[in-house]
Amino acid sequence: SQQGEEDPQALSIQEGENATMNCSYKTSINNLQWYRQNSGRGLVHLILIRSNEREKHSGRLRVTLDTSKKSSSLLITASRAADTASYFCATGVPTKAAGNKLTFGGGTRVLVKP
Amino acid sequence: DTGVSQNPRHKITKRGQNVTFRCDPISEHNRLYWYRQTLGQGPEFLTYFQNEAQLEKSRLLSDRFSAERPKGSFSTLEIQRTEQGDSAMYLCASSKAALNTDTQYFGPGTRLTVL
Repeated sequence: SQQGEEDPQALSIQEGENATMNCSYKTSINNLQWYRQNSGRGLVHLILIRSNEREKHSGRLRVTLDTSKKSSSLLITASRAADTASYFCATGVPTKAAGNKLTFGGGTRVLVKP
Repeated sequence: DTGVSQNPRHKITKRGQNVTFRCDPISEHNRLYWYRQTLGQGPEFLTYFQNEAQLEKSRLLSDRFSAERPKGSFSTLEIQRTEQGDSAMYLCASSKAALNTDTQYFGPGTRLTVL
């Protein structure tokens, strides 16, 4: 079973527009990570936000975390055609046995049209 | 380039055959993870190593699956008597243990097709 659920499942926007996607999760977490995956390829780490953080920025990316609502959002500003990919949130609950086993959502498929 | 490499990138096999995949993590990373991803889904955790010790296995990892990391560096994942349901992308990730900030870096994956 998957801990996180992304919303929407798919998103189509024009180049230059902003893209926002949300992630909800069920259990307490220590951190939440966002990854990007181009078709048929491995995952690229985008950003990690700790449970005691509320907002984090990295270039054109902005991530928020609301632990009271068990939700996170990823905003991509000024989107480019190269941002076309699937985006996944993953929650990590570090334990001695499991390291930082990640539980992924189903992903949001983003299409940026030139 | 994350530095994690996986071989082969693609594997096509017939049902009932055994297959083995290899993962080379980033050199200073002591943690190594295997995940499986089916089409249209997010990755699912299979197993985890800290150095050479396999510390956790998912229930997804049936007795036909075995993973090793003999010297705490590269890892292999073997599937015996493959079934069509094993068709998926097998992803390896590595990280350096750090309290609360265990960022995992993924390899390109091995896509397995069982005919």
